[in-house]
Amino acid sequence: KNEVEQSPQNLTAQEGEFITINCSYSVGISALHWLQQHPGGGIVSLFMLSSGKKKHGRLIATINIQEKHSSLHITASHPRDSAVYICAVTAASKLTFGTGTRLQVTL
Amino acid sequence: NAGVMQNPRHLVRRRGQEARLRCSPMKGHSHVYWYRQLPEEGLKFMVYLQKENIIDESGMPKERFSAEFPKEGPSILRIQQVVRGDSAAYFCASSNMHGDTQYFGPGTRLTVL
Repeated sequence: KNEVEQSPQNLTAQEGEFITINCSYSVGISALHWLQQHPGGGIVSLFMLSSGKKKHGRLIATINIQEKHSSLHITASHPRDSAVYICAVTAASKLTFGTGTRLQVTL
Repeated sequence: NAGVMQNPRHLVRRRGQEARLRCSPMKGHSHVYWYRQLPEEGLKFMVYLQKENIIDESGMPKERFSAEFPKEGPSILRIQQVVRGDSAAYFCASSNMHGDTQYFGPGTRLTVL
């Protein structure tokens, strides 16, 4: 079993839909990260959080430390949001990654 | 303010050759991390370096792989005697402090023929 599990693995949504991607982890962590990897392969760090909730534009990330669970929400989704979203945790001073959620937003 | 730079972006090598991947961290960042993404797999930690020091290399294969981050110049990931299984995207990231947000480079895509 992976230390970081994401669901769903693949997600297709229509433009405007509210999207949720989930991440569960099984180890003690000092921080959780959400990353975005575009089809060209580049990786962008979206959020780093250790408690509560963060918001940036249409993106919201939450974390529940007791339940070892985080969610990434995208409001009013748009085709340009199509990418792979990766959850990663900082544990024992290194990043451990989930396998990613491939999101496709269609018109 | 330039971001993390990696070169080359694409590298083709024949089996048995050496591959050298370079990473220049963001200005002011002294912490560098290397990650590998095998085809259709997730990212995996390889090594964490500070200037002139390897801090954690627990993700590095025991043979053929080495990394350095000299006092001057970029960090180098070196793969000797490459094999087909080394074909992957290698990403470098840097941070200002350990545990802080990491900024990723565009990656080097290594293809071994």
